[in-house]
Amino acid sequence: SSELSQDPSVSVALGQTVRITCQGDSLRNYYASWYQKKPGQAPVLVISDKNTRPSGISDRFSASNSGNVATLTITGTQAEDEGDYYCLSRDSSGTHSPFGGGTTLTVL
Amino acid sequence: QITLRESGPTLLKPTETLTLTCTFSGFSITSSPVGVGWIRQAPGKALEWLAVIYWDGDRRYSPSLRSRVIISKDTSRNQVVLTMFNMDPVDTATYYCARRPNYHDMSGTFDYWGQGSLVSVSS
Repeated sequence: SSELSQDPSVSVALGQTVRITCQGDSLRNYYASWYQKKPGQAPVLVISDKNTRPSGISDRFSASNSGNVATLTITGTQAEDEGDYYCLSRDSSGTHSPFGGGTTLTVL
Repeated sequence: QITLRESGPTLLKPTETLTLTCTFSGFSITSSPVGVGWIRQAPGKALEWLAVIYWDGDRRYSPSLRSRVIISKDTSRNQVVLTMFNMDPVDTATYYCARRPNYHDMSGTFDYWGQGSLVSVSS
């Protein structure tokens, strides 16, 4: 299956740690990349291939994989981290790269 | 510095054909293993992967849109073009182009994105 599932929303208190998960069969063989999306702005890559952080992205962002679940972790969450987060991977044939349904992060 | 910019019509009527152009700089689509893709986001909806074209001309399409979409490239102009036929109001969305830095990666990553082009479909 090429489907990636994400919880629709998650909230976190300012300064705390939050984990956003992405579940799918393809994640047993592939990694997820992660994107932050704010209204009116283009998506921003926050976690790249093999759970690496692109240049310029805060080290508050990290990622891991276990089984068919990929997890984006934000430590010491800041107000500016609010937004929608999407995971992306490859399907088992490598021909199609679906996005997850997105998770809206609210910082309280 | 890598940049991408989308251009094209902002308003279409149902059944018309959409042609969007992505003009990029700072990299070459003739260099292995680079690609450029299109992604869209309808209002209130999730990101949707549409198509990617790679340095060697390999094209990949979303299974749900394969019959309506063509992606092509003009290497001399540093452009990638998305053509979508038979547009419908449900195709109203912001369309983004983005660089795919590595065909061989394990995650389908897009690293640099354009600012997006809002396309509305209405009679």
